[in-house]
Amino acid sequence: EAQVTQNPRYLITVTGKKLTVTCSQNMNHEYMSWYRQDPGLGLRQIYYSMNVEVTDKGDVPEGYKVSRKEKRNFPLILESPSPNQTSLYFCASSFRGRGYEQYFGPGTRLTVT
Amino acid sequence: GDSVTQMEGPVTLSEEAFLTINCTYTATGYPSLFWYVQYPGEGLQLLLKATKADDKGSNKGFEATYRKETTSFHLEKGSVQVSDSAVYFCALFYNQGGKLIFGQGTELSVKP
Repeated sequence: EAQVTQNPRYLITVTGKKLTVTCSQNMNHEYMSWYRQDPGLGLRQIYYSMNVEVTDKGDVPEGYKVSRKEKRNFPLILESPSPNQTSLYFCASSFRGRGYEQYFGPGTRLTVT
Repeated sequence: GDSVTQMEGPVTLSEEAFLTINCTYTATGYPSLFWYVQYPGEGLQLLLKATKADDKGSNKGFEATYRKETTSFHLEKGSVQVSDSAVYFCALFYNQGGKLIFGQGTELSVKP
């Protein structure tokens, strides 16, 4: 089954404790991206990757890191999480040949205390 | 900079009513436009898309036309169902750039 998976789905952590949210897709998509969803703000793009070893900042990259060493994986790293990073995070992937329509993962709800 | 603005919600309709959710955009180039839908507790799903001016996207009875002259991509459905209750997001994307910009979302609630 074609899908985007994220792990973990729920995470409660403390300020400053490094964490990684994994994202994996099995559709051989070139493009992958991370978003955060906050009430009243819609989805805002954190980072995106047009292909392996190619990443770029979205609108809200501060406090986040990403890497794209393999085509299928695009982990999101929070080196020193802070409470303002409490949010719902979505990973998505897409294929250039279909006009970059995004396939979304199920989301990761992160709480930083 | 580029942006997407949607009508504020929540929008509450009775079943079989006509739906319009307004979406306008500001863009420096020629983006593709999308509508995504998010059902409660789920991730987003593509509803429809249009890649150039005057294109009409359609799916599941929903339609939207890419209007360059009014910079709009309004979502319409002739007869909504209770199962259409969800949050709808308008978005723009530049194929050459890679940035995807969403509107703030419009919650739709359809009552029987």
